This record gives sequence, C-alpha cells and structure tokens, in this order.
Amino acid sequence: KQEVTQIPAALSVPEGENLVLNCSFTDSAIYNLQWFRQDPGKGLTSLLLIQSSQREQTSGRLNASLDKSSGRSTLYIAASQPGDSATYLCAVRPLGYGGSQGNLIFGKGTKLSVKP
Amino acid sequence: DAGITQSPRYKITETGRQVTLMCHQTWSHSYMFWYRQDLGHGLRLIYYSAAADITDKGEVPDGYVVSRSKTENFPLTLESATRSQTSVYFCASSWTTQETQYFGPGTRLLVL
Repeated sequence: KQEVTQIPAALSVPEGENLVLNCSFTDSAIYNLQWFRQDPGKGLTSLLLIQSSQREQTSGRLNASLDKSSGRSTLYIAASQPGDSATYLCAVRPLGYGGSQGNLIFGKGTKLSVKP
Repeated sequence: DAGITQSPRYKITETGRQVTLMCHQTWSHSYMFWYRQDLGHGLRLIYYSAAADITDKGEVPDGYVVSRSKTENFPLTLESATRSQTSVYFCASSWTTQETQYFGPGTRLLVL
C-alpha cells in the first residue's frame, strides 16, 4: 500500500530564510506528485505538479524536485515571508489504488510558520 | 467565475440523521472527488467520479452514497450519520487524471 510521509510535522523559521520541506513515498510506481498549500479553515491550493518523467518544477520562489527511484520529493521555498505560513501537503497519484482514476494519496502535511 | 463551491460550509447534525453535502463546479471538469480530512489521518478519498453516472469507491466509502446525474454536481450523502463521520469534507475536480485537482473550501460537519 502506498504511504506518504512528510517530515517535519511543523517548522518555524525567521523571515527571509530559505527552507526545504520533505516528502517521501513508499512505492515509486506513481503518475505524478503534487504539492498543495492549505491555509487554516480553507481548502487546498495547488502549488506545483510534477509528472513522473520530470525531475523538477518551478513557480516563482517555489521549486519542487522529484526523485522517483528513491521515493522522495522536496519543496524549496526561497526567501520565506510571513505570508508563506500555512500547512504544505504532498500527494502522489499512484499507478494502483485508483490512481488511474485520479486518486491522490496525501501526506499529513508540514505546518510552516514564518516569523517576521 | 465561482470555480468549485461546497454547501453548506458548516453543519451540525445528530446521530442517525441523513445529511447531504453539495459540491458544484463551473468548469465542466470530467473528474470529481470527495475527500475527508481528519487529524492524524490526513486527507482520504471517499468516492470519485470519472463522468456523469460513473462513480467508484475510494479508500473510506462505508456509510456514504454519491450520485452524479449532472457533470457539474457531485453530492455526498451520509445515509445515517455517525459520530465517526465528524470531519472536514472536501470536494475536488479536474479535467483529466493527469492534471491538478482543484479543491473546494470544505464543509465542516459535526455529528452529535
């Protein structure tokens, strides 16, 4: 069974720091991996989608990498700002477990706090 | 330009009652999904739909029923609510299984 783990569960950094969030998954048989952001009491906002054939994706200050063979992904946030404070979720679309129908397997998230 | 909406946003009900959570998307996405989010479990898929009149079970379907008579709507019904169904429910949609899923704002359900 595919499992997704995010470490650490919570992270607090001062404003301006570059940081890395980690995501690992147990089965390398995936279609793609997505990073989402969730603000308190809100829905999920998609940040980056990496297809299994890709190594990384970039959007503004965000860069996500994927190493499928080792079952790892990282989300790099450059020059962090207080507005980046949120919970970041990693999700994989597995080749099995309904993944062909779009099922996502989520990690439990990393809660990021950026202090001014 | 509403995107994907859910109603109600908050609901309190009692054990044994039937509850329906609504999901509506304006993009005509083919795929729609229902997830529940619980502390300690993260998000888990309840049901999904590939098109109108095509639905299938996810990881935690027991106690839930879905229908999709129109592409834009995907209601989730709790036939006889239990306390273990207290959760935050998210609806999502996407054009294809290759593309990103867009999430609604969620419905917070409390079953007393």
